[in-house]
Amino acid sequence: DGGITQSPKYLFRKEGQNVTLSCEQNLNHDAMYWYRQDPGQGLRLIYYSQIVNDFQKGDIAEGYSVSREKKESFPLTVTSAQKNPTAFYLCAAAALDGEKLFFGSGTQLSVL
Amino acid sequence: GESVGLHLPTLSVQEGDNSIINCAYSNSASDYFIWYKQESGKGPQFIIDIRSNMDKRQGQRVTVLLNKTVKHLSLQIAATQPGDSAVYFCAENTDNQGGKLIFGQGTELSVKP
Repeated sequence: DGGITQSPKYLFRKEGQNVTLSCEQNLNHDAMYWYRQDPGQGLRLIYYSQIVNDFQKGDIAEGYSVSREKKESFPLTVTSAQKNPTAFYLCAAAALDGEKLFFGSGTQLSVL
Repeated sequence: GESVGLHLPTLSVQEGDNSIINCAYSNSASDYFIWYKQESGKGPQFIIDIRSNMDKRQGQRVTVLLNKTVKHLSLQIAATQPGDSAVYFCAENTDNQGGKLIFGQGTELSVKP
């Protein structure tokens, strides 16, 4: 998947629990993104980062948090404040913000 | 309560026919457009992109057409194959959105053998 590795492939969350989704890239791209995809719908932007130690909220950031301590890594935490977390989560990277995105293979998060 | 997913627009074609997938974009200021293919349970894969200073671009078996007058983008797939079955998304880049890509809902292409 173009040098973007997401893990795990499947994740289950208990009520009140925080869970973290991993995203690592070996493309040396500056910009990284997290999207949420619900069945039959397009991609909605959660958070994005254009440079290390900096990130911005997307359209649906509430209930999520991110960090960008290293260029290669952009983990997403789904907090207990996210009341409807069940979705397919996609991480992406781009050499230039807003240009061609390379996507990972996704993580399916479900609630127990 | 239980949430119900929306039904994607669907295009069904016979193997070997040409497919045309359409997309209406929202912002006349958008200057970059891109098509992705997504197979079930996988991440989207890049197909082809086009900038607003062009109205046509061709790749291998695919052509993207851009009509800025009516804000319309289309993806043409020649000699459609069963492996082309997937959901296809268009996306636009609008500078005033901070350079982020905005994705459409997607169209499901089903190829009948």
